[in-house]
Amino acid sequence: DTGVSQDPRHKITKRGQNVTFRCDPISEHNRLYWYRQTLGQGPEFLTYFQNEAQLEKSRLLSDRFSAERPKGSFSTLEIQRTEQGDSAMYLCASSVPGGQTQYFGPGTRLTVL
Amino acid sequence: GQQLNQSPQSMFIQEGEDVSMNCTSSSIFNTWLWYKQDPGEGPVLLIALYKAGELTSNGRLTAQFGITRKDSFLNISASIPSDVGIYFCAGTNTGNQFYFGTGTSLTVIP
Repeated sequence: DTGVSQDPRHKITKRGQNVTFRCDPISEHNRLYWYRQTLGQGPEFLTYFQNEAQLEKSRLLSDRFSAERPKGSFSTLEIQRTEQGDSAMYLCASSVPGGQTQYFGPGTRLTVL
Repeated sequence: GQQLNQSPQSMFIQEGEDVSMNCTSSSIFNTWLWYKQDPGEGPVLLIALYKAGELTSNGRLTAQFGITRKDSFLNISASIPSDVGIYFCAGTNTGNQFYFGTGTSLTVIP
């Protein structure tokens, strides 16, 4: 399977804990995006990488959130001191250089108790 | 941020019927995308539109890029049970940020 992969698919954590999610984009896709999706809503943009450079960040990305893509391939999204409001599906997507279409992974469902 | 409104919010149709849904934006886009999302999964790209007025088909799906560049339409012909899901529109101008609609939930009754 050469699609976008995300790990883990599900994460349950207690409030105040830190969590980290991983995304592996489609190979040769140099653009990588993170989104958050809550129930009944469309995906909301969080941040965007071109290769290893983080080029855009949404205001939704509070100080507790950090994303990295150290080698321009896989990316990680870390949430520190999780809050119940962080419960959501976290989606990763990738696209080719200059592409205006993006392909999504299956998402990581986070539940904060 | 950009607001994309989709209508209808939900649809309940009989198998075999045609479906129409639309998406409107407060701003213009130069690319419109349509996705389908099944429960617990990520959105799957259905159709991409790159030019105002463009009409593009993918099997039983047809989408149009509105000439004002502020809207797009998706039609599904002869619906089948596996068409069930949530359909999202998305727009972008630069490929740096994509803005998504609120979704149309489709239920197909066999």
